[in-house]
Amino acid sequence: QQQVRQSPQSLTVWEGETAILNCSYEDSTFNYFPWYQQFPGEGPALLISIRSVSDKKEDGRFTIFFNKREKKLSLHITDSQPGDSATYFCAASAGSNNRIFFGDGTQLVVKP
Amino acid sequence: EAAVTQSPRSKVAVTGGKVTLSCHQTNNHDYMYWYRQDTGHGLRLIHYSYVADSTEKGDIPDGYKASRPSQENFSLILELASLSQTAVYFCASSAGNNYAEQFFGPGTRLTVL
Repeated sequence: QQQVRQSPQSLTVWEGETAILNCSYEDSTFNYFPWYQQFPGEGPALLISIRSVSDKKEDGRFTIFFNKREKKLSLHITDSQPGDSATYFCAASAGSNNRIFFGDGTQLVVKP
Repeated sequence: EAAVTQSPRSKVAVTGGKVTLSCHQTNNHDYMYWYRQDTGHGLRLIHYSYVADSTEKGDIPDGYKASRPSQENFSLILELASLSQTAVYFCASSAGNNYAEQFFGPGTRLTVL
């Protein structure tokens, strides 16, 4: 059973546009949601994260919007740059089981 | 300097052979993880460990063993490699008080022929 789901599987935007990546989850005990960014040939790296007590988290051009009631969140990348082209993974964790659950990722391509 | 290193970076193995993938971290982290990534898919947890000399099964442990001889080192062992184990393998580490913030190594690309 997939604990974390992401859509779309792939997304192409033009430079300067806002990219919106979606994520949903099943387990209501999840309370921490990190997003990881992975460039080709590299390991994933933590990009931004949010706790379930918040509904929004900003870090520069990256913003997470969180809807606890619907068990959904989204990552908005404003003013997208070609250097943002990567795969983005939504993940989720609860406080008790020492691990996180990853979605299958969204592959983002930003065209110049 | 890279805090999580993996060796080898790539390997070709024969079906039925033994493969050992190694991971070393200098983060002084308690937690270490082994993930598998298949093309176009996310990260699936194979084994993890939160203390030396102890390992835990993840979501897909069948066909894999893990060994944590020290805090810094964590190995993944394929006793009898199979074609279906062709994938990229990532090691990660995290602190005990924030296991959701994981630091990944560069990955090992394993091809089983």
